[in-house]
Amino acid sequence: GAVVSQHPSWVICKSGTSVKIECRSLDFQATTMFWYRQFPKQSLMLMATSNEGSKATYEQGVEKDKFLINHASLTLSTLTVTSAHPEDSSFYICSARPAGQGAKGNTEAFFGQGTRLTVV
Amino acid sequence: AQSVTQLGSHVSVSEGALVLLRCNYSSSVPPYLFWYVQYPNQGLQLLLKYTTGATLVKGINGFEAEFKKSETSFHLTKPSAHMSDAAEYFCAVSLALAGNKLTFGGGTRVLVKP
Repeated sequence: GAVVSQHPSWVICKSGTSVKIECRSLDFQATTMFWYRQFPKQSLMLMATSNEGSKATYEQGVEKDKFLINHASLTLSTLTVTSAHPEDSSFYICSARPAGQGAKGNTEAFFGQGTRLTVV
Repeated sequence: AQSVTQLGSHVSVSEGALVLLRCNYSSSVPPYLFWYVQYPNQGLQLLLKYTTGATLVKGINGFEAEFKKSETSFHLTKPSAHMSDAAEYFCAVSLALAGNKLTFGGGTRVLVKP
């Protein structure tokens, strides 16, 4: 099956610094990628939808200036947590939907392995 | 708007016993339904999905789920649990009208006892 790689798998950063998380589709092109946040023992909450070559669409309540998303190519989307604070500590997961299938809600989106961010 | 409810945040089963995870959805139009599994500190892996056609869907690792429109349910089952089935399971719904975004249920953690 299709592979989505997230990097890094875990990161510890100091409060006030910025952290970039990469999401790559390794063997397919993805016009749409999704970024989720997962708190311990909870479900995934969609943060934003990233479309190649255009601005990301953020879900209600998600600060777009804090969580910067860039989708500059068909195989790479990045999430940058700016001026991170301890409350931003979480598990961040991306998923990617293969190009050409964006109009179909029945198509599978492939998930990365997640990034555990700890802000100290 | 769509929503997903998973009944039971934790399920404990004995090895070899039936696994039953419940999922109910709310949607104004016919949804696409998914079950995902998540192992600790990992992403999600698709177990199976329902789009159209046959309402009984077979997935990987011996899992299957049945779409019941009248009950707005998509329960996941496996006849015989293995120790390797211990994980978190998420039911999700997707609607074309909602931009094909996945909405997840709260998740059910499965514990398999030897």
